[in-house]
Amino acid sequence: EAGVTQSPTHLIKTRGQQATLRCSPISGHTSVYWYQQALGLGLQFLLWYDEGEERNRGNFPPRFSGRQFPNYSSELNVNALELEDSALYLCASSLPREGKNTGELFFGEGSRLTVL
Amino acid sequence: KNEVEQSPQNLTAQEGEFITINCSYSVGISALHWLQQHPGGGIVSLFMLSSGKKKHGRLIATINIQEKHSSLHITASHPRDSAVYICAVVIIQGAQKLVFGQGTRLTINP
Repeated sequence: EAGVTQSPTHLIKTRGQQATLRCSPISGHTSVYWYQQALGLGLQFLLWYDEGEERNRGNFPPRFSGRQFPNYSSELNVNALELEDSALYLCASSLPREGKNTGELFFGEGSRLTVL
Repeated sequence: KNEVEQSPQNLTAQEGEFITINCSYSVGISALHWLQQHPGGGIVSLFMLSSGKKKHGRLIATINIQEKHSSLHITASHPRDSAVYICAVVIIQGAQKLVFGQGTRLTINP
């Protein structure tokens, strides 16, 4: 069974451009999470999608947005790129939420965005 | 003060040693994850705990909800265990959000 897949693996953009990152969850997983790991800052929660809707977002500006498609895959869009957006962007998926549990998380290998 | 604190930040040990990584948190949580991140950046979820103890191979994770503390233990450590280990907690806020510790960089020397 395929794991969580992310594309592209690496992406180089310049300031002011837009970046689009993609994530395909494990089959049957309806929740998709996006995280940012910038140099020296550790992992930070970005967005959570479940059943096609944005359920929660972290403390990031509106330049960071995304969506989840009917097949549960997801896109993360970063507009008006800034140098500090350079980071590893990780996607994770989990089984349908039950009660208060997120369920076990399965992570992709990440997309490394470099903004020049 | 961070909501999730890990210690130590860096740990170097010899192959075969017993390893303990600690995680303390200051907020109410519904679950805690231990994650392993390898140099390429890929992350593997090792455990998800809401109480008690879990064991998988040479890895053991415990959590004490009252003390807001969790530990990850590695028995008979091996160089391939070298990685960054990250503690992440699921905040009880109704809309589940993960808050991460800064990670512990573990190096096991042969």
